[in-house]
Amino acid sequence: IAGITQAPTSQILAAGRRMTLRCTQDMRHNAMYWYRQDLGLGLRLIHYSNTAGTTGKGEVPDGYSVSRANTDDFPLTLASAVPSQTSVYFCASSGGTGGSYNEQFFGPGTRLTVL
Amino acid sequence: GQNIDQPTEMTATEGAIVQINCTYQTSGFNGLFWYQQHAGEAPTFLSYNVLDGLEEKGRFSSFLSRSKGYSYLLLKELQMKDSASYLCAVTDSNYQLIWGAGTKLIIKP
Repeated sequence: IAGITQAPTSQILAAGRRMTLRCTQDMRHNAMYWYRQDLGLGLRLIHYSNTAGTTGKGEVPDGYSVSRANTDDFPLTLASAVPSQTSVYFCASSGGTGGSYNEQFFGPGTRLTVL
Repeated sequence: GQNIDQPTEMTATEGAIVQINCTYQTSGFNGLFWYQQHAGEAPTFLSYNVLDGLEEKGRFSSFLSRSKGYSYLLLKELQMKDSASYLCAVTDSNYQLIWGAGTKLIIKP
């Protein structure tokens, strides 16, 4: 692994189903993030984690949950998918928090369609 | 509220120069990033400004004026591969990145 990986690459999901998007990084970064990107809108933060064992809510957390059991993995779960959650989901990581230089590195994204 | 404004779309000619502007109103300021995103791909880092002035990196330069809440990305000697979206993002007082919607740059031969 080099950088950040996400799985699956794409998924079509029936409304009401549960889905977990996976994200793994091998850069030993402390902070990890989940964004959604919709046409015409900027990246919107769903949840973040500043370090293993801690998580926080971003701008659009409703309908999503995360966990951070270790440094490398940061899964995003949709408990009961709805069509408005159709989007491209990006996982990102950065080396630290609390500092002004906080370059984020992105995974390749997961394209999710909820029907 | 927090807000970052960039033009939705711009068109330029191969070999020319283009300037993409970004204005921001955020709760605090701890740096400004520019990212490039090709269609269907992830954003990738281009530049970072935290002090006023110009940062040059090859064909790309980024400028910041904190007093005006303003930045621009300057792309010189445009190539077809520069066709992409360019995202402006500001680190706020909580050290979270606030993202603009991006500027889609179309390069014509």
